[in-house]
Amino acid sequence: GESVGLHLPTLSVQEGDNSIINCAYSNSASDYFIWYKQESGKGPQFIIDIRSNMDKRQGQRVTVLLNKTVKHLSLQIAATQPGDSAVYFCAENRWNFNKFYFGSGTKLNVKP
Amino acid sequence: EAGVAQSPRYKIIEKRQSVAFWCNPISGHATLYWYQQILGQGPKLLIQFQNNGVVDDSQLPKDRFSAERLKGVDSTLKIQPAKLEDSAVYLCASSPSRSSEKLFFGSGTQLSVL
Repeated sequence: GESVGLHLPTLSVQEGDNSIINCAYSNSASDYFIWYKQESGKGPQFIIDIRSNMDKRQGQRVTVLLNKTVKHLSLQIAATQPGDSAVYFCAENRWNFNKFYFGSGTKLNVKP
Repeated sequence: EAGVAQSPRYKIIEKRQSVAFWCNPISGHATLYWYQQILGQGPKLLIQFQNNGVVDDSQLPKDRFSAERLKGVDSTLKIQPAKLEDSAVYLCASSPSRSSEKLFFGSGTQLSVL
C-alpha cells in the first residue's frame, strides 16, 4: 500500500546546530504535506506546510524542502534549541479529501 | 481561543471491558477526527465527521468501535469490548471545514488495556 515513512527514527544534535529530518512518501497523488511536532504527553502541533507546486517554504527557524522527483521532503531546523526536542511527523494529504496520513515519526534529541 | 478538549486524560481497563472517550472541538470547527496512535507510531485515522455526519470510517473496527457526534459539536468514541491491542493514545482533532488543511489536535486520552 501507499505510505509515508521516515528514514531515521532518532536524531541527536547539539544545541545550536542545524537539524535535518527526512521523510519519504510513495503516493504520487499527494499534493500537500505538513510537518507536525509532538511533545511528550501532547497532541501533534502544526509546524509548517508545503504544497506540491512548491520546492521550498520557510518559516521561523524552519524550512521545508520538497523533492517530487524522488518523493522526498525534509524539515530543517536552524539553531536547534532544547525546546525543539520532540517527535516530528510528516503527514500527506490528497486535495479534496482532507485526510492526513502520518509517517512513523523521528525523535529529535537536543543535547545541551 | 480554547483548544480541542479531551477527557479523560488517562484510562486503565481490563480486556473485554468498555470505555468511552469524549472530545469537544474548537468552537465553530465543522470537521472532527478521531485518530489512534500506538506507541512509536504516527497517528492513524479512525473516523472523520463533517458536522454530525460521517465522512470516512473505513479504518474504524466497527465490530468493537463506535463513534458519534450529536448536534455536530461534541463527539464520543467508544470501544466495546476492549482488546489488549487497543492500548494507545486516542487523539481528537478538528478543523474549520472539510477543505481546511490544518488540523488542531487535543492532548489525547491514553488508554491501557490490561
